Amino acid sequence: NAGVTQTPKFQVLKTGQSMTLQCAQDMNHEYMSWYRQDPGMGLRLIHYSVGAGITDQGEVPNGYNVSRSTTEDFPLRLLSAAPSQTSVYFCASSYDLTEGNTIYFGEGSWLTVV
Amino acid sequence: AQSVAQPEDQVNVAEGNPLTVKCTYSVSGNPYLFWYVQYPNRGLQFLLKYITGDNLVKGSYGFEAEFNKSQTSFHLKKPSALVSDSALYFCAVRDGTGGFKTIFGAGTRLFVKA
Repeated sequence: NAGVTQTPKFQVLKTGQSMTLQCAQDMNHEYMSWYRQDPGMGLRLIHYSVGAGITDQGEVPNGYNVSRSTTEDFPLRLLSAAPSQTSVYFCASSYDLTEGNTIYFGEGSWLTVV
Repeated sequence: AQSVAQPEDQVNVAEGNPLTVKCTYSVSGNPYLFWYVQYPNRGLQFLLKYITGDNLVKGSYGFEAEFNKSQTSFHLKKPSALVSDSALYFCAVRDGTGGFKTIFGAGTRLFVKA
């Protein structure tokens, strides 16, 4: 039972480079999201999706793009990396957000922008 | 707007003593409340949640949490701490009126001394 799978686990980028963080879930969850975790700031929501073809912005969307072409996949794209995007990124999914369904997290992707 | 506050950056307890990790929240509707735990270099793991019903919620690894509507709090507790409980704990809230965003607190680091 794979759950939520993120790749890569570690990545170093140069300022201005672009990259995509991959996220896949095998639980047939409708809701998927991306968070970044920074010291002392907890988890901040970047983008989320409530189903294939539907995405919306979270708290800190600038500098990031997402798409949801399938239920399973929700990639996060960094368009032009900046040092401020050095962070740990978590992909998460949930069956839906009614009745307080639990959110499940991937193992994280550690990104350093130099 | 919904928000979560975890007033303590770190909580220190001796093994065998009871522990409490504090959380207060603000939402416009009825809250869905969650606790997650994060071990080093890992993703967040679900501990427990409050949706409705009994104010005392029991979860994984012997943890429990008490929902207090008048104080808008959802404190995490355990009667007898273990060294292995040392980790980062996150409180999260979702607005039960149908919002899709789950907001996380900044996290509290629990250190249990042998």
